[in-house]
Amino acid sequence: GAGVSQSPRYKVAKRGQDVALRCDPISGHVSLFWYQQALGQGPEFLTYFQNEAQLDKSGLPSDRFFAERPEGSVSTLKIQRTQQEDSAVYLCASSSPTGEENYGYTFGSGTRLTVV
Amino acid sequence: GENVEQHPSTLSVQEGDSAVIKCTYSDSASNYFPWYKQELGKRPQLIIDIRSNVGEKKDQRIAVTLNKTAKHFSLHITETQPEDSAVYFCAASYFGNEKLTFGTGTRLTIIP
Repeated sequence: GAGVSQSPRYKVAKRGQDVALRCDPISGHVSLFWYQQALGQGPEFLTYFQNEAQLDKSGLPSDRFFAERPEGSVSTLKIQRTQQEDSAVYLCASSSPTGEENYGYTFGSGTRLTVV
Repeated sequence: GENVEQHPSTLSVQEGDSAVIKCTYSDSASNYFPWYKQELGKRPQLIIDIRSNVGEKKDQRIAVTLNKTAKHFSLHITETQPEDSAVYFCAASYFGNEKLTFGTGTRLTIIP
């Protein structure tokens, strides 16, 4: 596609509910990232995929957070038993590195999750 | 891990004047430094980036400078316009690890 697409755009979840956030990266982009952006803060790294391999999940805040990218394209970030502190914008980004240099990300518009 | 500090947190500039935002980083292995602009409710957009093999890069009214010895880099916007009003984030990463560490952001307001 022309850009990184995320859905849903907004999600309101009751505390304890499970949610699934979808990211559709730019076609052909090998690398996919998830970031969490709290209100008034910079994005914070959650996890990173290269194709279907999850190479880094060091930023996932707890074992309630799980991400997958089974076919190396679309990715899903799942949050189980949501808590109020999970309220944030979840940003997905993709890039197309050659393996030799970093390239700038293209971010999606994000999913704003509100846990009530 | 990497730590990126960004200053100031807010900046108001008269239209037509210049704006400068500064960032410092902690990991001397970092070698890629992008800047993102985020308008209210929108996605961060890459506006300029610099790699550690150069000291300065320009793109029209925007420039970024890098001082590897001091581990700091700066964004310079000249001839500011109202549409420059946004939150700007600096970030850092290093070869072999594309994970970006972001600064806390600078809210830039251009006063007409």
